[in-house]
Parts: sequence; structure tokens; C-alpha cells
Amino acid sequence: KNEVEQSPQNLTAQEGEFITINCSYSVGISALHWLQQHPGGGIVSLFMLSSGKKKHGRLIATINIQEKHSSLHITASHPRDSAVYICAVLDLGGSQGNLIFGKGTKLSVKP
Amino acid sequence: ETGVTQTPRHLVMGMTNKKSLKCEQHLGHNAMYWYKQSAKKPLELMFVYNFKEQTENNSVPSRFSPECPNSSHLFLHLHTLQPEDSALYLCASSQPGPPPNEQFFGPGTRLTVL
Repeated sequence: KNEVEQSPQNLTAQEGEFITINCSYSVGISALHWLQQHPGGGIVSLFMLSSGKKKHGRLIATINIQEKHSSLHITASHPRDSAVYICAVLDLGGSQGNLIFGKGTKLSVKP
Repeated sequence: ETGVTQTPRHLVMGMTNKKSLKCEQHLGHNAMYWYKQSAKKPLELMFVYNFKEQTENNSVPSRFSPECPNSSHLFLHLHTLQPEDSALYLCASSQPGPPPNEQFFGPGTRLTVL
């Protein structure tokens, strides 16, 4: 079993829909990252959080440390949101760089 | 130029070749990372450098040799690679922790080993 599990693996939505991507992890963490990877490979960091909730534009990330769970929400989805969304955690016992990555959720938003 | 840049963006090499990947960051960070992303697999950490010193080697084979001459530049020297080493190689940078700091990624080098 992977230490970081994401669901769903693939998600297709219609433009304008509200989208939720989930991330569960099994280790104690000091921080959790949500990353966006577009075709071609480049990765953009969306959020880093260790508690509560963060919002940036149409994106919202929440984390529940007790339940070891985080969600990424996209409101009013748009085709340009189509990408792979990756959850990564920084293990409490690990060094600064030792992020543990989920396999990613591939999102496709249709016009 | 800003952010994290990587060159080349694409590389095809034979198993007997020697090549190098380059990463440069213009963010004033002191920690740099190499990651490998193989098809259908999660990203894997390869190496971490803090203030030019290697602080993490995630059991990477010796055919991959990193070099960090200064805080802004990171290289990955490749020699006698195998076809299974074909992957996307990503560089990232951050301020060193603690506390944990956000990592900024480069666009990656798509490597194909024939």
C-alpha cells in the first residue's frame, strides 16, 4: 500500500462543475503539498499546508491532520484546469526534501 | 530570467554515452533537488543538496552522479545508463528547512535511453 493515496485516479468533468480530488496518507507529516503537472511535464506548486484551509482564486485546499486527509477543490472548472494534480507529503521523520508523492489524479475538463 | 530552468528539455542517448543535465534557479534558494518521474509511477526523490552539500541520496545507482558547484546550479551527470532509466527528470529548489518550505520545480528533461 502506498503511503500517499489519491482518488480518483482519473476524473472527467464538464466546464463549470465543482471538482474535488482527495488525498489520504498513512504517515505523520509536517506539511502537505498540492502540485499541478501539465502535459509536457512542468510542475507548479499550488499549495503547501499543514493545517486548516487555503484558498487561491478558484482553488481551495483543506487538510484534516487527525484524519490524515486532504482535499483539493476547484470551483467553476475550466478546460485550462485539465492537468494531473499531485499530492505530496513531507514525512515528520524525513528530511526537508523527502517528499512522498501520490500517483496523481488526471483531470480533464470538457468545454 | 526567473524561476527554475532546466537544459536540455529533451535528450536521447545511447547506453554508452555520457551526458549531463543542468538545472539553474534564480530564486535565491539554498536547497536543490533532483527527482525522477517514470511512466505510471509517482515522482521519486533522487538527491538533495543544502548549501551545496549533499544531504540526501535516495539509494540512487552510481551511474547517476550529481554535482552542485554553487547554490544556484545543479547538475546530474549520466553515464552507462540503462533503457529503464528513461524518464522525466525534474529539478526543484527551495529554502532549506526547518520549517518545511515550498519547492519550485523546473520544466524537466525528458530522457530517452536507447
